[in-house]
Amino acid sequence: KQEVTQIPAALSVPEGENLVLNCSFTDSAIYNLQWFRQDPGKGLTSLLLIQSSQREQTSGRLNASLDKSSGRSTLYIAASQPGDSATYLCAVRLKGGSEKLVFGKGTKLTVNP
Amino acid sequence: NAGVMQNPRHLVRRRGQEARLRCSPMKGHSHVYWYRQLPEEGLKFMVYLQKENIIDESGMPKERFSAEFPKEGPSILRIQQVVRGDSAAYFCASSPLGTTEAFFGQGTRLTVV
Repeated sequence: KQEVTQIPAALSVPEGENLVLNCSFTDSAIYNLQWFRQDPGKGLTSLLLIQSSQREQTSGRLNASLDKSSGRSTLYIAASQPGDSATYLCAVRLKGGSEKLVFGKGTKLTVNP
Repeated sequence: NAGVMQNPRHLVRRRGQEARLRCSPMKGHSHVYWYRQLPEEGLKFMVYLQKENIIDESGMPKERFSAEFPKEGPSILRIQQVVRGDSAAYFCASSPLGTTEAFFGQGTRLTVV
């Protein structure tokens, strides 16, 4: 059974700091891994999608890496801003069957001005 | 191209009533997934549908819950005889293919009183 773990559960940093969010998964049989952002009371916004054959993806100040063999992904946020404050969710899409997403519980990020 | 549309955004039901949640996928997307987010919990898969077919309902409670995605119109998640424990945010996601990037709606927040 696939399990996704995100560490830390919460993180508070001063504005301008570079930071790393961690995600680990137990089964490497995945199609892809997706990072989302969720603001309080809102939906999920897709940030980055990494296919299983890829090592990393970049979008602006965000960089996500994937090491499928070790079951790990990181989301790197450069020069953090107060507007980055949100919960960040990691999800893997399973191979076989329904290709559903399995989510971690998220990391709640607070960037202090 | 409008995003995934869910309505209503907020729904209040008394115990024993029925709740109907609607999801219109993005244009061109024929794969729809429903997820539930309980307070302080991660998102959990409920059901995966393609037009007129339920592909995987392994995450759906066996009783009171049903889902459909008709040939015409939105996907519907139906909860009969709601109980307090059904209070949660229900999210719909769509994708053009099962293995590609998933796009989420804003969710429907169900409160059972």
